[in-house]
Amino acid sequence: DAGVIQSPRHEVTEMGQEVTLRCKPISGHDYLFWYRQTMMRGLELLIYFNNNVPIDDSGMPEDRFSAKMPNASFSTLKIQPSEPRDSAVYFCASSGFEAFFGQGTRLTVV
Amino acid sequence: QKEVEQDPGPLSVPEGAIVSLNCTYSNSAFQYFMWYRQYSRKGPELLMYTYSSGNKEDGRFTAQVDKSSKYISLFIRDSQPSDSATYLCAMSAINNNDMRFGAGTRLTVKP
Repeated sequence: DAGVIQSPRHEVTEMGQEVTLRCKPISGHDYLFWYRQTMMRGLELLIYFNNNVPIDDSGMPEDRFSAKMPNASFSTLKIQPSEPRDSAVYFCASSGFEAFFGQGTRLTVV
Repeated sequence: QKEVEQDPGPLSVPEGAIVSLNCTYSNSAFQYFMWYRQYSRKGPELLMYTYSSGNKEDGRFTAQVDKSSKYISLFIRDSQPSDSATYLCAMSAINNNDMRFGAGTRLTVKP
């Protein structure tokens, strides 16, 4: 297995634009997590899914953020409209017993 | 108060030194304790995993959990330049489901 795959690796967008981050979890893992990492706040859990169902989205900062998991092999995190304070590295992780992280998407909103 | 507190450092040590990294936490429901290592521009990777209290050793790495004090530690013996990374503690009440991370401590091991 290639591990957790995230795309794009880097995204630069203008304020107000819609941003979609993508994640392909490891096959067979039934949990999927979205995290955001910044220097100021560290690694924060945004939302997690179990068997494609959102379980806890209390970490999603605002209604501008939404996440979906239409099937076991794909998830998206969408920000609409994006703002400069959304600039961060966004990680997707999946787990069966142990959690594995993807390489992250570095988002810059200008 | 954050649920998980970790000194962000940075911490710089000479090669061969013993490194001690620590975290404190406030949620007594945490049962699972992890240490992740994150190299620059990479995702975190699991280094050590401990359930409940006690010690766990893996090569040069030792993880300790003291639930009575809500305090966990990671020791690195004979530190190497390749150990230079950010180390994040993480913990959860239900296995992996709701991991909460510390801020991470940036470690540099100088040759």
